[in-house]
Amino acid sequence: AQRVTQPEKLLSVFKGAPVELKCNYSYSGSPELFWYVQYSRQRLQLLLRHISRESIKGFTADLNKGETSFHLKKPFAQEEDSAMYYCALSGSGGSNYKLTFGKGTLLTVNP
Amino acid sequence: NAGVMQNPRHLVRRRGQEARLRCSPMKGHSHVYWYRQLPEEGLKFMVYLQKENIIDESGMPKERFSAEFPKEGPSILRIQQVVRGDSAAYFCASSPNARVVLNTEAFFGQGTRLTVV
Repeated sequence: AQRVTQPEKLLSVFKGAPVELKCNYSYSGSPELFWYVQYSRQRLQLLLRHISRESIKGFTADLNKGETSFHLKKPFAQEEDSAMYYCALSGSGGSNYKLTFGKGTLLTVNP
Repeated sequence: NAGVMQNPRHLVRRRGQEARLRCSPMKGHSHVYWYRQLPEEGLKFMVYLQKENIIDESGMPKERFSAEFPKEGPSILRIQQVVRGDSAAYFCASSPNARVVLNTEAFFGQGTRLTVV
């Protein structure tokens, strides 16, 4: 079975501070990992995926297969980063359209 | 492109009534996915549909829930004889092709919040 764990329900940092949102997963094969973000009153949108290996809005995430983690990091948080962040996983193979989400972390960046 | 449109945004039903949730995918998208988010939980996959076909309904409860995506019109998630436990946010996503993960992303709607009283 595939599972995604986001241990922090809430995370609060000050503007300019580094931020790390944790994500651990369980999957027996080779998963694909994603971070989705939901800003206040807006729809869920893809932030980044591990296969792209790119930085979006200053955020990066590295897939660590040994630790089964996909933590989201940003060196200097901005107030506009305040949002709900969801880590998600899809398996390989024919059902890769099916996403498994974590419970989410609400990030608040204080001025 | 207006994005994935879901309506209504909020729906209140009494126990035993029917709930109909609508999802209009993005223009050019023929693949639709429904997810449910119970309070304090992550989104959970319910069903995957293409035009006029149910591809995977492994996440749908066995009773009272059904989904369709007709040739014309929006996708509909129908919940019959609603109970308090059906209260949740229901999200729809769409993609232009089947290999949503590798080739493109799934775009989400803003969701419908169903409250059963």
